[in-house]
Amino acid sequence: DAGVIQSPRHEVTEMGQEVTLRCKPISGHNSLFWYRQTMMRGLELLIYFNNNVPIDDSGMPEDRFSAKMPNASFSTLKIQPSEPRDSAVYFCASRITDTQYFGPGTRLTVL
Amino acid sequence: AQSVTQPDIHITVSEGASLELRCNYSYGATPYLFWYVQSPGQGLQLLLKYFSGDTLVQGIKGFEAEFKRSQSSFNLRKPSVHWSDAAEYFCAVGVLSNTGKLIFGQGTTLQVKP
Repeated sequence: DAGVIQSPRHEVTEMGQEVTLRCKPISGHNSLFWYRQTMMRGLELLIYFNNNVPIDDSGMPEDRFSAKMPNASFSTLKIQPSEPRDSAVYFCASRITDTQYFGPGTRLTVL
Repeated sequence: AQSVTQPDIHITVSEGASLELRCNYSYGATPYLFWYVQSPGQGLQLLLKYFSGDTLVQGIKGFEAEFKRSQSSFNLRKPSVHWSDAAEYFCAVGVLSNTGKLIFGQGTTLQVKP
């Protein structure tokens, strides 16, 4: 299996622009998680889905952040408009039974 | 509330020396416990996990961890550290099995001296 796939791996954008991060979970996994990692706040859970349905989005910092999972093999995390404080590494993870498997992350820099 | 504490932010050990990384958790029921490792620029890789049964758990890369309920701890150990073990290590507790949600500690950065 290819593991969790994230794209792009690096994204540099300017403040105010829309950013879309993509994730393909491992086939057969029924849960998907989006995390944000920064030096100051560590690893934060933003939102997670079970069977494509959003279960808990309490970690989404603001209305500028939105996430979708239109099918079992694809999810997006969108930031609109982006701000410099959104600069971080964003991870996607998928889960089978009780174990999460992480993707390589997207490093986002907002100038 | 559930929480995970990794008391050591940075640890430096010499190559070949033994290693122990500490993890303490707060959780009302029997926890699901995990250790992940993150190499620079990489995602988190699962080292090992504890769900039930034998309290000494073996993982990949020669790591092991011991669950001690009386101390609310799940410390990670390795008898002989290799330079390639330099990375950041995260302990996590599973909140509820049917959600799969994890609470992560702040991480411990391991530096290995030659």
